[in-house]
Amino acid sequence: DAGVIQSPRHEVTEMGQEVTLRCKPISGHDYLFWYRQTMMRGLELLIYFNNNVPIDDSGMPEDRFSAKMPNASFSTLKIQPSEPRDSAVYFCASSLPDRGGYEQYFGPGTRLTVT
Amino acid sequence: SQQGEEDPQALSIQEGENATMNCSYKTSINNLQWYRQNSGRGLVHLILIRSNEREKHSGRLRVTLDTSKKSSSLLITASRAADTASYFCASFNTGGFKTIFGAGTRLFVKA
Repeated sequence: DAGVIQSPRHEVTEMGQEVTLRCKPISGHDYLFWYRQTMMRGLELLIYFNNNVPIDDSGMPEDRFSAKMPNASFSTLKIQPSEPRDSAVYFCASSLPDRGGYEQYFGPGTRLTVT
Repeated sequence: SQQGEEDPQALSIQEGENATMNCSYKTSINNLQWYRQNSGRGLVHLILIRSNEREKHSGRLRVTLDTSKKSSSLLITASRAADTASYFCASFNTGGFKTIFGAGTRLFVKA
């Protein structure tokens, strides 16, 4: 298996622009997580899905952030409009806890810079 | 804060020495996990200990769990330069699948 795939790996955009981050989880995993990592706040859980349904989005910082999972093999995290404080590394992870697979498999991350 | 706490924040040791990192968490857990992150990379799962376990080994790793104190420790024995990375604990809470990551310990192993 190729592991969790994220794209793009790097994104540089100007304040006010829309940003879309993409994730393909490991095939067969039924949980998908989006995290944000910064030096100041560490690793924060933004939202997670079970069987494509959002379960907990309490970590989403504000309405500018939205996430979707239209099918089992694809998810997006969208920021509109983007702000400089959104600059961070965004990770996607997947797991299979319903079958005891609690460990999460992380993608390589997308480094977002908003100028 | 959704984070647990880890100490030390940074640790510098010589190759061959042991490294111990500690983690505290806040809520009841199903299990606790440790992850490693190399600079610029995603996190990699190292080891998982369930709430009814007190100690677990995997190669050079030893994890302990004290649920009464809501704390865990990770011991890396005979460290190598390649162990240089950040290490995170993650508590998997009961009643949901929310995993809370600690702030991490940066380990530097000098050759």
